[in-house]
Amino acid sequence: SQTIHQWPATLVQPVGSPLSLECTVEGTSNPNLYWYRQAAGRGLQLLFYSVGIGQISSEVPQNLSASRPQDRQFILSSKKLLLSDSGFYLCAWSVVGGEQYFGPGTRLTVT
Amino acid sequence: QKEVEQDPGPLSVPEGAIVSLNCTYSNSAFQYFMWYRQYSRKGPELLMYTYSSGNKEDGRFTAQVDKSSKYISLFIRDSQPSDSATYLCAMSAGQAGTALIFGKGTTLSVSS
Repeated sequence: SQTIHQWPATLVQPVGSPLSLECTVEGTSNPNLYWYRQAAGRGLQLLFYSVGIGQISSEVPQNLSASRPQDRQFILSSKKLLLSDSGFYLCAWSVVGGEQYFGPGTRLTVT
Repeated sequence: QKEVEQDPGPLSVPEGAIVSLNCTYSNSAFQYFMWYRQYSRKGPELLMYTYSSGNKEDGRFTAQVDKSSKYISLFIRDSQPSDSATYLCAMSAGQAGTALIFGKGTTLSVSS
């Protein structure tokens, strides 16, 4: 069966500090991978998606970036965090033509 | 007009009640429809996945899609306290697995 992992589970970072969130998927090959952000009262917002290694599509212009160095690894990064980057970050995967499955999430608080 | 509208609630019902959750949408190209359940501080869990119009049943859960009205519903029969969560509708115009558009979620509380 497939499993998706995210870490860290929670993170408190000062404004201006860098960020690296990691997501890995087990039990499947060549998945589509997604990063979402969920802010209170604002629903789920798609940030990035990837259909293969090194292939990243950005949905929302911001100070975040994503990378996919391996088939089942997806990383979300920032060089300098803003207060507005606080939120619940969710990674998801799907196979082509399949529904999306979400990881446990990372709760980020920027202070 | 927002692409997907969902009443945020909160919705409070007694145990055993039938619950109806709804979303409306504006993009007639949507053809894949999903319902997710999200417990507090957890990732969303896929409950139901339907394609185009019609009904789909899974245990106590029934999903309905009416594309002519641009309206989808999730019914929960014999609701349980463990059903207390936020329910998110999601939909896509392309093949399922491409970018999903989510509603903001309805918070449901089932009291024993």
